[in-house]
Formats: sequence, structure tokens, C-alpha cells
Amino acid sequence: AQKITQTQPGMFVQEKEAVTLDCTYDTSDQSYGLFWYKQPSSGEMIFLIYQGSYDEQNATEGRYSLNFQKARKSANLVISASQLGDSAMYFCAMRRTDNYGQNFVFGPGTRLSVLP
Amino acid sequence: DSGVTQTPKHLITATGQRVTLRCSPRSGDLSVYWYQQSLDQGLQFLIQYYNGEERAKGNILERFSAQQFPDLHSELNLSSLELGDSALYFCASSGLALANTGELFFGEGSRLTVL
Repeated sequence: AQKITQTQPGMFVQEKEAVTLDCTYDTSDQSYGLFWYKQPSSGEMIFLIYQGSYDEQNATEGRYSLNFQKARKSANLVISASQLGDSAMYFCAMRRTDNYGQNFVFGPGTRLSVLP
Repeated sequence: DSGVTQTPKHLITATGQRVTLRCSPRSGDLSVYWYQQSLDQGLQFLIQYYNGEERAKGNILERFSAQQFPDLHSELNLSSLELGDSALYFCASSGLALANTGELFFGEGSRLTVL
């Protein structure tokens, strides 16, 4: 079964510092996609970054980068220069495709608190 | 704005009642997913539809049902409500992972409170 593990229920980081949120996944598929979403206290789910399993380069989107280590099955999110507005829940997710189409599996999330 | 519309945004009802949550996916997206998020919990996958057909089922209670209509909007029906059904219910849609990353686009959620 496909599974996403996020071992850090909560993280603290000082404003302007970088932080890494861990994500490991379990799949036997060759083709899959990995995503990170942010959920601020207002509740909406915001897409941050995507990494395809065949992408050789780590994905980057502004201050977000994804440290993809395929052999280790890890897809850690790195946030550089943390801002107070980065305080939120962060979910790692994996998309796979089977005979029934696409489905997505989410991790339990990591709550990030940015300290002034 | 993700392009996914959910109504109502907030709903307060009593135990034993029945409610219907509605979702309009992004224009052109054929897949609709429903998720439940209880307080400070992760996302629990409920059910997925593709072009009107049920494609996958997660931890959806028998008291819950859903459907996707020919115009691709979807409804999630929750009946015989219990206090534990209080949660944020998300609808999400996705298109084909061809020219884009194929991510899920989430609606703003319907916050259900059962008293």
C-alpha cells in the first residue's frame, strides 16, 4: 500500500532561517508525483511544489525547494528565509496512477511555527 | 482562487440530521475527490469520482454517500449526523497530468459543526 510518513508533528524555526520538513514515501510504482501543500490557520489548502519521479533535478519554487532523494524515497521540503506567514500545517502527498485513474495519498502533516 | 467551488462554507446542524455539501470542480477537470479533516488531523480520503463514475473509496462511512452529476459537479450527503462528524470537508479536482503537474486543486472547504 502507498504511504506517506511525516515524522515531525511540530517544528519551530526562527524568522529568516531555513527549515527542512521531512517526508518519506512508500511505493513500488516507477511513475509517481510528489507534492507539498500548505494549510494556514484559515483552512485552505495551498499547493506549493511538485516533483515528478522521473525529474532528475530538485524542484524549486521561490523560497521553496524539494530535496528529492529517490533511492531513499524521501521528498523533504526546504523553506529558505522563513517568514511569519509560513506558520502553518504542511502536508506531503503522493499521486499515483492505476487502472482507475489518479489517486492521492497524504501524510499526517507537520505544524510549522515561525518565531519572531 | 483554485477554481473549485464548495458550498456552503459553514454549516451548523444537530445530531441525527442530514446535510448535503456541494462541489463544482475546476473547469475541464473530470476527477472529483472528497476529503474529511477533523480538528488538528490530517486529510482522510473519502471518495473519488471520475466523469460521473465512482473510482475509489476510502474511509467513508455507510451514513455518507456521494455522487457526481453529468455536469461534473458533485454532492456529498451526510446523514444521521453524529458529533464526531464535525469536521472540515474538502472537495478537490484534478485534470490530466499532461501539460501540468496534475496537482489537486482544493476548494475552500465546508466546515460542518454538529451540535
